[in-house]
Amino acid sequence: QLQLQESGPGLVKPSETLSLTCTVSGGSISSSNYYWGWIRQPPGKGLEWIGSISYSGSTFYKPSLKSRVTISIDRSKNQFSLKLSSVTAADTAVYYCAREYSSSPYEWGQGTLVTVAS
Amino acid sequence: QSALTQPPSASGSPGQSVTISCTGSSSDVGSNNYVSWYQQHPGKVPKLMIYEVSKRPSGVPDRFSGSKSGNTASLTVSGLQAEDEADYYCSSHAGSSNAYVIFGGGTKLTVL
Repeated sequence: QLQLQESGPGLVKPSETLSLTCTVSGGSISSSNYYWGWIRQPPGKGLEWIGSISYSGSTFYKPSLKSRVTISIDRSKNQFSLKLSSVTAADTAVYYCAREYSSSPYEWGQGTLVTVAS
Repeated sequence: QSALTQPPSASGSPGQSVTISCTGSSSDVGSNNYVSWYQQHPGKVPKLMIYEVSKRPSGVPDRFSGSKSGNTASLTVSGLQAEDEADYYCSSHAGSSNAYVIFGGGTKLTVL
């Protein structure tokens, strides 16, 4: 059974860079059938797709976030990561990592709350 | 890249059917068959219910069905049950050379 687990700081200061890692277990991140993505959900609000990466490192980002987002993959550790720069309070959200299939986040991690505050 | 449009709320009595719409554009919903639906109970992780417009992942009851016409996709829940009360989100593949995924704003389904 595939499991995904997000990890990283729960508190980030404004203007700094948010960094999260997703560790995948129960399956290989090197499968060519899937993409690995990040989705976020501000408290009390809806879902927002951030971006995804293939096993080979091809990336796709939400256009409005593209200038601030970097997603990378480490096949040796079965992990992929998210970096979001120049954060503001509007970036406060639960961040989920997910395995994507057919442009659908199919299996999700439990999510991690990241608060942007000084 | 505005969010897909969903009604904020929907409701039905146990046993009834309810349909939730998801309206996009020719750049997303209308241009491909990669529309998905998610169920999210309060405080829980979203769960994929429908992908590729009408396919159900293993374990999803066949009371849940999806369809699409033009720029609008729909999720129908038949034989409503109390546990179906949740938020439902649609999503679609969008773009071409710079592909991305766009979500709807969500619909709160209430079982009366």
